[in-house]
Amino acid sequence: DGGITQSPKYLFRKEGQNVTLSCEQNLNHDAMYWYRQDPGQGLRLIYYSQIVNDFQKGDIAEGYSVSREKKESFPLTVTSAQKNPTAFYLCASSSVSTPETQYFGPGTRLLVL
Amino acid sequence: QKEVEQDPGPLSVPEGAIVSLNCTYSNSAFQYFMWYRQYSRKGPELLMYTYSSGNKEDGRFTAQVDKSSKYISLFIRDSQPSDSATYLCAMTGDNTDKLIFGTGTRLQVFP
Repeated sequence: DGGITQSPKYLFRKEGQNVTLSCEQNLNHDAMYWYRQDPGQGLRLIYYSQIVNDFQKGDIAEGYSVSREKKESFPLTVTSAQKNPTAFYLCASSSVSTPETQYFGPGTRLLVL
Repeated sequence: QKEVEQDPGPLSVPEGAIVSLNCTYSNSAFQYFMWYRQYSRKGPELLMYTYSSGNKEDGRFTAQVDKSSKYISLFIRDSQPSDSATYLCAMTGDNTDKLIFGTGTRLQVFP
């Protein structure tokens, strides 16, 4: 089955700790995205990547970092600089030729201890 | 003013009702209009996709775009309890990589 997987489903972060959220896709999509979803605010773009070894900041990149070493993988690190990390994090992918049709993973819920 | 406005609801309807979900937007450059369905604690699922103005139908779902009014709609006929979810509109223009999402409308269909 083609799709996007995210792990873990739930993640707990302690003060001052960096945590990494995993995103993998087997849809052969070139473009991948990370969004943050908070109640009443919709989806906000954190980072996106259209090709391996290249990525761009989205609207709320501060306190986050990403890498794109493989086409299938786009991990997101929530650093200690992100002061309000509690949210639902969603990874998505799309074909570069049709960036408007994005397909989402099941999400990771990050909670702060 | 947000680029995309969407009533958060909740919208509560009886089973079998026709549901109308709407978004307004301010950017006249938007050309692609999407509707996503998101069940609680799950990722959004692409439901409908429309380019420019007009209607598109898929089973019980119809998407409408009125670019002159900057207004898009999703109609659900014969609504079912399984349609209970949050519906997100999203849109973008040509030559852009970013989708702009509405905040989502929570729909509840009761038996």
